[in-house]
Amino acid sequence: KAGVTQTPRYLIKTRGQQVTLSCSPISGHRSVSWYQQTPGQGLQFLFEYFSETQRNKGNFPGRFSGRQFSNSRSEMNVSTLELGDSALYLCASSEGGRDFYEQYFGPGTRLTVT
Amino acid sequence: GQQLNQSPQSMFIQEGEDVSMNCTSSSIFNTWLWYKQDPGEGPVLLIALYKAGELTSNGRLTAQFGITRKDSFLNISASIPSDVGIYFCAGHEVGNQFYFGTGTSLTVIP
Repeated sequence: KAGVTQTPRYLIKTRGQQVTLSCSPISGHRSVSWYQQTPGQGLQFLFEYFSETQRNKGNFPGRFSGRQFSNSRSEMNVSTLELGDSALYLCASSEGGRDFYEQYFGPGTRLTVT
Repeated sequence: GQQLNQSPQSMFIQEGEDVSMNCTSSSIFNTWLWYKQDPGEGPVLLIALYKAGELTSNGRLTAQFGITRKDSFLNISASIPSDVGIYFCAGHEVGNQFYFGTGTSLTVIP
């Protein structure tokens, strides 16, 4: 099976702009989670989508939003970018069932805000 | 959000030595996962644990789900240079999100 893919891999934006990141989960996986990773804060949970519905949400401002499509692909949007949004954004997928929660990560999108 | 306490923060060891790291939480988890991350890449799943007391191996790696369900341990035996990276633990409870440890940076000296 192909792994989790994320596009683009690298992105440079300026303050005030918005950005959309894309994630394609492993085939058959219905849950997609998004994380922000920075050297100072580590891995911070943004949100999880399961069958097109947001199932869990982390403690991030409303500028961070996401959605999931019927084919389980997910997008994450950040509006009005700030310098502090520079980070590695990771997407992870899992089957999403109640019994097993093996979560697999994509390679990430490196976002730099200037 | 909650972050798990992972220790040690960093380790410098000689090739061939064994490595131990652990993760503790104030919450009870149903699942513990261990990941390894190389620079600029996403974390790679190493071991998954689902039951308190469970001991699981993956090659030279062995991990245990603590009996209290609030901790987990990862051991690497006979370390080699490619073991270099950052190791993360993650805990999960049903219906909730994953919580990640702060990471253990491993350096293996040839």
